[in-house]
Order: sequence, then C-alpha cells, then structure tokens
Amino acid sequence: AQKVTQAQTEISVVEKEDVTLDCVYETRDTTYYLFWYKQPPSGELVFLIRRNSFDEQNEISGRYSWNFQKSTSSFNFTITASQVVDSAVYFCALSDPFYGQNFVFGPGTRLSVLP
Amino acid sequence: GAVVSQHPSWVICKSGTSVKIECRSLDFQATTMFWYRQFPKQSLMLMATSNEGSKATYEQGVEKDKFLINHASLTLSTLTVTSAHPEDSSFYICSARGRQAPTYEQYFGPGTRLTVT
Repeated sequence: AQKVTQAQTEISVVEKEDVTLDCVYETRDTTYYLFWYKQPPSGELVFLIRRNSFDEQNEISGRYSWNFQKSTSSFNFTITASQVVDSAVYFCALSDPFYGQNFVFGPGTRLSVLP
Repeated sequence: GAVVSQHPSWVICKSGTSVKIECRSLDFQATTMFWYRQFPKQSLMLMATSNEGSKATYEQGVEKDKFLINHASLTLSTLTVTSAHPEDSSFYICSARGRQAPTYEQYFGPGTRLTVT
C-alpha cells in the first residue's frame, strides 16, 4: 500500500529563517512520482514540483529546494529565507506511474512564517 | 494550459437538500476525473474516480447513493451531494487527467466549500 508521512504537523519560523519540511513515503512500485503542493488559506492547491523515482537529482527553484533520497524514502522540501507569504499548508503526495490509481496525500504540514 | 475549474466556489445549503458541484477541464479532454474531500485541518481524501461514460468507482466508506457522480462528457464531471447533512460540510476538490502527455497527470480544481446548515 502507498503511504506518505509528514511527521511535522505544524512549524513556526520567523521571517528569513530557513525551514525544511520532511516527507517519508512507502510504496512497492519501482516507478512512482512524488509531489509537493502548497495550500494557502484560499484552499486552492498550488503545484510545486513533481519528481520521477528514477531522477534523484536535487532540484532548486528560487528559494525552494528539494532533496530526494531513495535510500531513505524521503523527499524533503526546504524553503530558504522564508517569507510571510510562504505561510500555508504543504502536502507531499505519492502517485503510481499512471497518476491516478493510488494518488496519496500526506497529512500536511502547516507552516507559519512570522514577521 | 491544463486548467480545471469548479463551480460554485462555495455553497451554503439547508440540511436535507441536495447540492451539485461541477468540475470542468477548460483546455483539455479529461478521460478521468477524481473527487476529493478535505475536512478542516485534514488532508485530502479520495472519494471516487470517474471515467468518461462509465460509472464512478467509490473508495471504501464513501456512500455512492449519497454522493452521485456523473462524468457525462470529456470536460465535465458533477458531484451531487444528496440529502446533505451538517457532517457533509467540507471542502470538495476535483482533479482531471487527460488522455496523454502533457495532461496525463492530475490537475486540481480550486475547490468548492460546502456548508450545510
């Protein structure tokens, strides 16, 4: 069965601090996809990244970076120099190669960035 | 591209009435649509999967007679909450998946907030 764990329920940081959101997953598939979504108070999911299981390169996009480690089944997300606008709930998700069956969301991490 | 819309964005209804939520893929054909429910401070839980022209597949614990899903065309799926009760109050999110790349992954709608009084 597919499972995604985000151990941090809530995190509070002060603006400009770096913060890392943890994500650990379980799957029996050899090919799978991992995602991060941001859900601001409006509720709409904002797609941040999709990573194929065969691509273990870390990725950086502006202040965002992701560390994918297959050996530990983790896909962690770091925000550098956090800003108040980063305050939201962040979900890690896991999908099989067909993007439909077994698309599982983690429980989410609520990030509060204080001014 | 790959935009999914939902209507309405929020709705308030009285207990015992039915409410319909629409999910549309605006710029691609969605062979499969998914409906999720999100209670406050919880994660998204898949309710059902629907393929165009066929009956929806419901997840365990989801009442198919209460949550009617129709996927009549390649761009529209509807979720009808029948005889709504306050416990059905939730945030409902749909997603759509196209036939082939680049729309083969799921694209999420903005969600519909349902409040049953």
